[in-house]
Amino acid sequence: AQSVTQPDIHITVSEGASLELRCNYSYGATPYLFWYVQSPGQGLQLLLKYFSGDTLVQGIKGFEAEFKRSQSSFNLRKPSVHWSDAAEYFCAVGEGYGGSQGNLIFGKGTKLSVKP
Amino acid sequence: EAGVVQSPRYKIIEKKQPVAFWCNPISGHNTLYWYLQNLGQGPELLIRYENEEAVDDSQLPKDRFSAERLKGVDSTLKIQPAELGDSAVYLCASAKSGTDYNEQFFGPGTRLTVL
Repeated sequence: AQSVTQPDIHITVSEGASLELRCNYSYGATPYLFWYVQSPGQGLQLLLKYFSGDTLVQGIKGFEAEFKRSQSSFNLRKPSVHWSDAAEYFCAVGEGYGGSQGNLIFGKGTKLSVKP
Repeated sequence: EAGVVQSPRYKIIEKKQPVAFWCNPISGHNTLYWYLQNLGQGPELLIRYENEEAVDDSQLPKDRFSAERLKGVDSTLKIQPAELGDSAVYLCASAKSGTDYNEQFFGPGTRLTVL
């Protein structure tokens, strides 16, 4: 069965520092991978997605992620964190149904705190 | 473009009472999802609709949960009777089939507290 692991429950970084959030997935075929962000009391917002092609994908708010098939990873990065980035981040893998809409399997999330 | 609308945003009820949540998806989105998000966890799918048809309800606890999507637009999720363990956030999401795979747009959720 498909699964997503986010090993870090909570990460604290200083404002201006770089950030990397880890995500590992288990999926038999080529995965469809996503990163979502959730601010307190808000729904999830899509940061970026990987379907195929270039393994380094750019997203909104200055985030990027790199797909590494050999490591079954899709880590999220940002070179310089802003205080407004404090939120919870979820990695997800999309189940495939021959290209049709499928379901998302989410990790448990990583809470990001930003120190001034 | 308006986003996914959910109401109410917060609901507090006593156990054994019924409760209902409403979702209005983004206009033109024919796929609609209901997710359950427990504290400190990622969302877990309860049910997925394609238009008015529930195409995946395998994770919906059918003894107490029910859902409907009349006319393939708005949807209602109901719990009857509610239990203490149902306290969670219930998220609705919608997507447009035929475009980017599985790009789902989420509403703000309904936070349910069962006392």
